[in-house]
Formats: sequence, C-alpha cells, structure tokens
Amino acid sequence: AQKITQTQPGMFVQEKEAVTLDCTYDTSDPSYGLFWYKQPSSGEMIFLIYQGSYDQQNATEGRYSLNFQKARKSANLVISASQLGDSAMYFCAMRGNQAGTALIFGKGTTLSVSS
Amino acid sequence: NAGVTQTPKFQVLKTGQSMTLQCAQDMNHEYMSWYRQDPGMGLRLIHYSVGAGITDQGEVPNGYNVSRSTTEDFPLRLLSAAPSQTSVYFCASSYSPGDTQYFGPGTRLTVL
Repeated sequence: AQKITQTQPGMFVQEKEAVTLDCTYDTSDPSYGLFWYKQPSSGEMIFLIYQGSYDQQNATEGRYSLNFQKARKSANLVISASQLGDSAMYFCAMRGNQAGTALIFGKGTTLSVSS
Repeated sequence: NAGVTQTPKFQVLKTGQSMTLQCAQDMNHEYMSWYRQDPGMGLRLIHYSVGAGITDQGEVPNGYNVSRSTTEDFPLRLLSAAPSQTSVYFCASSYSPGDTQYFGPGTRLTVL
C-alpha cells in the first residue's frame, strides 16, 4: 500500500534561516509523483513544488527546493530564507496508482517562523 | 480565470439533513476530486471523476454521492448528514490524472 509519513508535527525557525520539512514515502510503483502543498491559517491549499520519480534533478521553485533521495524514499522540502508568511501547515503528498491517481497525503507539519 | 470555486464556505446542518456542496472549475480540467480534511488525518479522498459522466469512489465514500454531468461542475451530495461528517471539504481539479491538482478554498461543514 502507498503511504506518506511526515514525522514532524511542528517545526520552529527564525526569520531568514533555512528549514527542512521531512517526508518519507512508501510505494512499489516505479512511476510516481511527489507534491508539497502549503495550508496557511486561512485554510486554502497552495501547490508549492512537484518531483517526478524519474526526474534526474531535484525540483526547485524560488525559495522552495525538494531534496529527493529515491533510494531512501524521502522527499524533504527545504525552505530557504524563511519569512513570517511561511508560517503554515505543510503537506507532503504522493500521486497514487489507484483511484484515478488521486493524491495520498501525509498528516502535515506545522511550521512557525518567528522574528 | 477563477480557478476552482466552492460554495458555500461555511454550513451548519442538523443530523439527517441533506445538502449539496458545489464545486466548479473554469480551467477545462478533466480530473476532479473531493477530499475531506479532519484534524490529524491529512486529506482523504471521497470521490473522483476522470471526465464528464465518469465517477468513482475514493477512500471514504460512505454517505456521499457525486455526479459529473459537465466538465466544469462536480457537486458532492450528503444524503443524510451525520456528526461524523463534520469536516472541511476540498474540491480539486487537474488537467489529467497525475497532473498537479489545484484546490478550491474549501467548505467548512458542521453537523449538529
């Protein structure tokens, strides 16, 4: 069965510092996709970054990068130069191989950025 | 483009009542899905559709019905609301299955 695990319920970081949010996954499918979403206190789900299982390079989007270690089945999100507006819940998700390739979500990590 | 829209934003129901949560997208996406978000549980798939006229069940379909008569709309119906259906409901869409899914703003539902 496919599964996403986020082991950090909460993380704390100071402004301008970098932070890594952990995500491990489990799948036997050779083709899969990994996503990170941000959910601020207002509640909407905001897509941040995507990594395909066959991508040779780690994905980057502005201050977000994905540290993809396929052998270890990890897809950690790295946020560089944290800002107060980064305070939110962050979800790691995997494109499943069932249910029309719907997303399978982890339970999320709450990030708090302080000044 | 409005993206994915959901109505209402908030709703309070009594046990046994029925209602429909509306979802629409204007991006001509074929794939649409409904998730529910409960504290500590992440998001779980309720139903999904890979195109007009085609729907299927997800992980937690009991108590919900869907239909997809047009590409744009994907309503979620609660047949007889129960307190266990108190949750935040998200609709999402993507161009095709496997592509990045974009979410609506969510509907916060409370069943008393």
